[in-house]
Amino acid sequence: AQKVTQAQTEISVVEKEDVTLDCVYETRDTTYYLFWYKQPPSGELVFLIRRNSFDEQNEISGRYSWNFQKSTSSFNFTITASQVVDSAVYFCALSGGAYNYGQNFVFGPGTRLSVLP
Amino acid sequence: EAQVTQNPRYLITVTGKKLTVTCSQNMNHEYMSWYRQDPGLGLRQIYYSMNVEVTDKGDVPEGYKVSRKEKRNFPLILESPSPNQTSLYFCASRDLGLAQYFGPGTRLLVL
Repeated sequence: AQKVTQAQTEISVVEKEDVTLDCVYETRDTTYYLFWYKQPPSGELVFLIRRNSFDEQNEISGRYSWNFQKSTSSFNFTITASQVVDSAVYFCALSGGAYNYGQNFVFGPGTRLSVLP
Repeated sequence: EAQVTQNPRYLITVTGKKLTVTCSQNMNHEYMSWYRQDPGLGLRQIYYSMNVEVTDKGDVPEGYKVSRKEKRNFPLILESPSPNQTSLYFCASRDLGLAQYFGPGTRLLVL
């Protein structure tokens, strides 16, 4: 069975601080995909990044960066110099490989990030 | 603009009154799905569809129906809504890279 754990339920930081959101996953698939989504207070779910299991390179996009470590089954998300607009619930998600993706899109419970001015 | 649209965005109804939430995507995606989001329970999949005329149950299908007659549309039907179906509903479509793109959500209150 697939599982995603986000141990941090809520995090509060002051603007301009760096913050890392943890994501640990479990899967028996050798091919799988990891995702991060943002849900701001307005409620929509915004796709941030996709990473497949064969690509362990870290990725940076502006103030966002992602650290994928297969050895520890983790896919952590760091926001550098946080801003109030980063306040949202962030979800990590896991999907099985293309042969098995019909139902297997599992979300973590989410981490609520509050960035205080 | 590539998007998933849902209607209505907000709906208040009464127990037993049939309703349909529409979902449409303009990205030519084959895969579409419905989720509900509830406090403390996270996002749970209701139904999904791998292609036209192909649908299957997700984790919480009871009380819901879906149909997929066209590639772009995937309506969610509640034939006899009950208060425990009060929730935030999301439709999503999925690209070949398996990323899901979500609609804006539909907030449903069943009295």
